[in-house]
Parts: sequence; C-alpha cells; structure tokens
Amino acid sequence: RKEVEQDPGPFNVPEGATVAFNCTYSNSASQSFFWYRQDCRKEPKLLMSVYSSGNEDGRFTAQLNRASQYISLLIRDSKLSDSATYLCVVPPFTNSGGSNYKLTFGKGTLLTVNP
Amino acid sequence: AAGVIQSPRHLIKEKRETATLKCYPIPRHDTVYWYQQGPGQDPQFLISFYEKMQSDKGSIPDRFSAQQFSDYHSELNMSSLELGDSALYFCASSLGGRLRSGTQYFGPGTRLTVL
Repeated sequence: RKEVEQDPGPFNVPEGATVAFNCTYSNSASQSFFWYRQDCRKEPKLLMSVYSSGNEDGRFTAQLNRASQYISLLIRDSKLSDSATYLCVVPPFTNSGGSNYKLTFGKGTLLTVNP
Repeated sequence: AAGVIQSPRHLIKEKRETATLKCYPIPRHDTVYWYQQGPGQDPQFLISFYEKMQSDKGSIPDRFSAQQFSDYHSELNMSSLELGDSALYFCASSLGGRLRSGTQYFGPGTRLTVL
C-alpha cells in the first residue's frame, strides 16, 4: 500500500454541490493529518488540520477514521473559488521532539466547480 | 502576517550550469523544508533542516546540496543542471516541536527552467 492514496478525480461539480474526497494512509501510527489546497502553479496552502476524529471550518469538514485509516474532506455549497487541487498530507509519526516532518503528499484530487 | 519568502521567483538556466535558490522562513520558525514539484506531479520532499542541522533527507540528487544559516534562512545549491531538474521548488517552514506543532507553511516557489 502506498503511504498516501487519494481519490484520483478529477471532480467536476456545479456550484452549490456537496463533494467529498477520500484519502487512505498506510502508517497506522500517524497522529496528524492535513488537507492542503493548491491552485495552478501556486504553493500548497494549508486548508485544515486533523488531529482527532475530525475538524470543521465553515463549509469544510474533515473526518478521520483511524480504524480504516482514511481521512475525508467534505465541501458543502461549493463555490467557483473552491476549484483547485486538494492534497492529502500525512506526516510521519515521530516522538523525537525534533522537527523532521517531511510531508508525504497524495497525488492530489482536482476539483472544478462549474457555474 | 509575514510569510515564507523565496528568491528568485523564476530562474532560467542552461544544462550543466549551477543555480542557487534561497528561502527565508517565517520569523521565529526554526525548520525549513525543500520540495520539488515537477509538471503534473505532487510535491516531493528533498531535504529539511532543524536548528541549522540537516534533519531529514529525501529524494535529493547528489548534485544538489543545501544548508541552513544562523539566521535560519536556507539555500539550495544545484549543480550540473539537467533538463529534468525543471520544476517548481517550494520551501516550507515550521516551528519545531512535538506532534501538534510543526505545521508547514509554503513559500510561493521558485520556477526553475533548464534549457
């Protein structure tokens, strides 16, 4: 199993739709998870962090299922500005106290919200 | 709020030339990461530094080297450039620490084109 696997997409949805992406990870010891969004030719930007069962921020909800080792991102009431590539990120677990959180990115899921 | 600064933003080099990319982390961040993103690819981790020491190494070619200086800025040195080195190079910074800290914030990237 790859370290991080995402829904390949692409997703094309109309404005106002609800869309969900899934991401599976292989390291059962992973403690934290992130969703980044990346616009074309721009840097990844942190969208949400997930440390426990889930996180909600406005129209965005991230859920974590440790038993099945997947995290999901739900976007409600999609806006045109949500069009981007969404990257699932799982840092390696470390209790060393040092900072060596090299990020392993999923391949990304391209979302296009259409008017 | 201050963000990660990268310079130059665009760089054009010829094969076998050398290039130096610079990264200035967010103030008080002590950890710097370098990622390479080829066209249509997800970012790949190259190398990271924590408190001026190399903390992790990824798929960085031997032709590349990097260091972090006393003011925490970092430079990625690339020699004997090849066509395949053409990519977006992102620097990210974070504040070192345990588990829940260490969220990485990305700079705008340097687009390197090797002709």
